[in-house]
Amino acid sequence: DGGITQSPKYLFRKEGQNVTLSCEQNLNHDAMYWYRQDPGQGLRLIYYSQIVNDFQKGDIAEGYSVSREKKESFPLTVTSAQKNPTAFYLCASTLLGGENAGELFFGEGSRLTVL
Amino acid sequence: AQKITQTQPGMFVQEKEAVTLDCTYDTSDQSYGLFWYKQPSSGEMIFLIYQGSYDEQNATEGRYSLNFQKARKSANLVISASQLGDSAMYFCAMRGFSGSARQLTFGSGTQLTVLP
Repeated sequence: DGGITQSPKYLFRKEGQNVTLSCEQNLNHDAMYWYRQDPGQGLRLIYYSQIVNDFQKGDIAEGYSVSREKKESFPLTVTSAQKNPTAFYLCASTLLGGENAGELFFGEGSRLTVL
Repeated sequence: AQKITQTQPGMFVQEKEAVTLDCTYDTSDQSYGLFWYKQPSSGEMIFLIYQGSYDEQNATEGRYSLNFQKARKSANLVISASQLGDSAMYFCAMRGFSGSARQLTFGSGTQLTVLP
């Protein structure tokens, strides 16, 4: 079945460590996104990518980095520069184009806790 | 710039009753789409319903319907015959269709609690 796979589902990190969250999609979608969600809050855009080897900062990119070497993959690295990284991270993808582009598909999320 | 406003941080509804979750939006795009997602406590985002800006009829999906009033820029979600499993956070979202992946905006969400 087509979909988006995020891993790991739960991750614990010590302060000062970088961690990488994986996001893979087999939907042949053009655009991929990373969102951060804090408890009881909405989604905030970290980074997005419209095409391979290109990505753009969202609203809260500081302390994060991404890559898009393959269309299917959009990993997110939470660096030690991120001051408060404990949060729920959601990866999403969608087709680009007109009104038939469809909805945004989400992965199941990765919950990061900094100890 | 796009903006989505959900003014109800929390809502309560009795089981089997209908409930309306409010969503207003602002955009300069002529063509756009409106979405509703459900997020249960497990965290996954579940797509519920979609309305295109040029759709003349309100979208419906089972117990979900979208009350689209273009002139008022509102896209309220109506859930009929509420069930206990409907208790979740609900997000309204909008995407523009000018071609940029950036044009995707979420509201702050409404926490719905269905009472037995």
